Amino acid sequence: NAGVTQTPKFRILKIGQSMTLQCTQDMNHNYMYWYRQDPGMGLKLIYYSVGAGITDKGEVPNGYNVSRSTTEDFPLRLELAAPSQTSVYFCASSAGGGFMSTEAFFGQGTRLTVV
Amino acid sequence: AQSVTQLDSHVSVSEGTPVLLRCNYSSSYSPSLFWYVQHPNKGLQLLLKYTSAATLVKGINGFEAEFKKSETSFHLTKPSAHMSDAAEYFCVVSDLGAAGNKLTFGGGTRVLVKP
Repeated sequence: NAGVTQTPKFRILKIGQSMTLQCTQDMNHNYMYWYRQDPGMGLKLIYYSVGAGITDKGEVPNGYNVSRSTTEDFPLRLELAAPSQTSVYFCASSAGGGFMSTEAFFGQGTRLTVV
Repeated sequence: AQSVTQLDSHVSVSEGTPVLLRCNYSSSYSPSLFWYVQHPNKGLQLLLKYTSAATLVKGINGFEAEFKKSETSFHLTKPSAHMSDAAEYFCVVSDLGAAGNKLTFGGGTRVLVKP
């Protein structure tokens, strides 16, 4: 049971570099999400998607971009890394939304440090 | 708009004694509510969920939570703490009927279990 898979697990970036955090799920879920977790804080929603080709901003989208070309994949792009983006990033997916709210399944996280 | 407040950032209990983690929420619609647990350097695992069925919800590892609409609360309890319960716990709300299944996280409660 793969579930939600994130890569890489760890990454150190220099200021101004770019990178893509990969996320894939094998549960055929329509909904996918990217969250960031800062030390001692809850999770903040960066972007989410309700299906292939459809994405929308969450609470903290600045400095990030996403795409959703397939149901399975939801990569998160950092174009110009900044120290404020040092965080742990979690990808998640869920089957339903709206009147079919269901629990989300989370990946193991990507720990990103920007120096 | 939905929001979640976890009233205690840290809770310390002795092994074998009860655990109470408090959560209050606000929601414009009929909410779904969840508790997730995060062990150190791990992803998030669902403990239990409330989705408008029974107000007393039983989860894994002996945890349960009671949905009280009049108090807008969803407190998590366990009768007897175990050392393995040391972790961070997140209360999460998702509005049924809202466009998109956006999960809003509380700030988290870190549980310490003393021998």
